[in-house]
Amino acid sequence: NAGVTQTPKFQVLKTGQSMTLQCAQDMNHEYMSWYRQDPGMGLRLIHYSVGAGITDQGEVPNGYNVSRSTTEDFPLRLLSAAPSQTSVYFCASSHRTSGGLGGQFFGPGTRLTVL
Amino acid sequence: GQQLNQSPQSMFIQEGEDVSMNCTSSSIFNTWLWYKQEPGEGPVLLIALYKAGELTSNGRLTAQFGITRKDSFLNISASIPSDVGIYFCAGRGNAGGTSYGKLTFGQGTILTVHP
Repeated sequence: NAGVTQTPKFQVLKTGQSMTLQCAQDMNHEYMSWYRQDPGMGLRLIHYSVGAGITDQGEVPNGYNVSRSTTEDFPLRLLSAAPSQTSVYFCASSHRTSGGLGGQFFGPGTRLTVL
Repeated sequence: GQQLNQSPQSMFIQEGEDVSMNCTSSSIFNTWLWYKQEPGEGPVLLIALYKAGELTSNGRLTAQFGITRKDSFLNISASIPSDVGIYFCAGRGNAGGTSYGKLTFGQGTILTVHP
């Protein structure tokens, strides 16, 4: 299993540009989430999904859209990038049931800079 | 929203010393998780706690789920240089509910171990 994969690993955008951060998992996990990590603030939840076709907002959803058309993929879209969105973005996934669950598995991250 | 306060923010210790860090919450969580993050990587799960009062060990790491469900601590015994990294606590809601995929993270504890 590849686990949770994220692309790209690094990205530089200009203010106002749009882009999609890709996330995929091959563990058949129902739950997938997007977090951003900023210095001194830990990880903050942007959006999450409990299954294909179902998404919900997290703590800091503004400026981001998500969709979950398949169990495997959970892309994060920046509609009009702003410098405040410069951050490291992590995708995570986990099983719905508690049996055998070991918490969320995280991808390697995407480092985004908005100029 | 839910908040986790993690302390201390940073620790500078000598190799061989024991380390203790903790998290407190304004809300009840049904699961506590402890993660370690190394530079350029995503967080990796160290210990998961599922019951109030539970004490769980993973090698030199020991974590406890507070009896009030509003706190947890992590101890590292006989620290070694490879323990260096950022340690995060995280809390999660009820299994099976829509909040299950959501993690609330503490701000992190930066651990430095001097040889």
